[in-house]
Amino acid sequence: EVQLVESGGVVVQPGGSLRLSCSASGFTFDDHAMLWVRQAPGKGLEWVSLINWDGSHTSYRDSVKGRFSISRDNSKDSLYLQMNSLRPEDTALYYCVRAHDSTGYSNLNYWGQGTLVTVSS
Amino acid sequence: EVVLTQSPGTLSLSPGERATLSCGASQSLTRNYLAWYQHKPGQAPRVLIYSASNRASGIPDRFSGSGSGTDFTLTISRLEPEDFAVYYCQQYDASPLTFGGGTKVEIK
Repeated sequence: EVQLVESGGVVVQPGGSLRLSCSASGFTFDDHAMLWVRQAPGKGLEWVSLINWDGSHTSYRDSVKGRFSISRDNSKDSLYLQMNSLRPEDTALYYCVRAHDSTGYSNLNYWGQGTLVTVSS
Repeated sequence: EVVLTQSPGTLSLSPGERATLSCGASQSLTRNYLAWYQHKPGQAPRVLIYSASNRASGIPDRFSGSGSGTDFTLTISRLEPEDFAVYYCQQYDASPLTFGGGTKVEIK
């Protein structure tokens, strides 16, 4: 059974930093690209970042470029999101998501339960 | 960036009725790389349809997707009580990946 378990979400002050983690199991981790998708309170789904199977390609939405960094450790079946210079508008439930294929430009066929990041003073 | 516009914002229907949800793209998805997701409160989203018209594994056949280019549709032939949720379309035809704003299907 595919499982994606996020951790690391907390309350942090504006300008602060945070690292989210996602532990994957039940599938061959390095066969798949991975993504982070977020949902702000009362809003819809929003793609944040993706990383291909071996980490050689990453992509970010414009609003987080230069502040967030996605990475993966295939030896640990883990995905990460380093979040710096956090803003109140980054407040959201962050989902760890598995792509169908190795590039990330495919449907998103498994999602974690999410970890909540709150940016507030 | 491809902007996806979903309509209507809210659909009020009764169990057993047919639901028709629309998703319009601001530019043509040349490979029809469009997916539909169902999202219930407190749960992870799940994929229903990929590549516009292919049902994902384990999805009941009352869910169907159609369309091409800039106009796509998700149809639920007969609503079951568990189908009341928010539905999102998402394109992976072009970078960056984008989602529509969602359609809430609520019980009338």
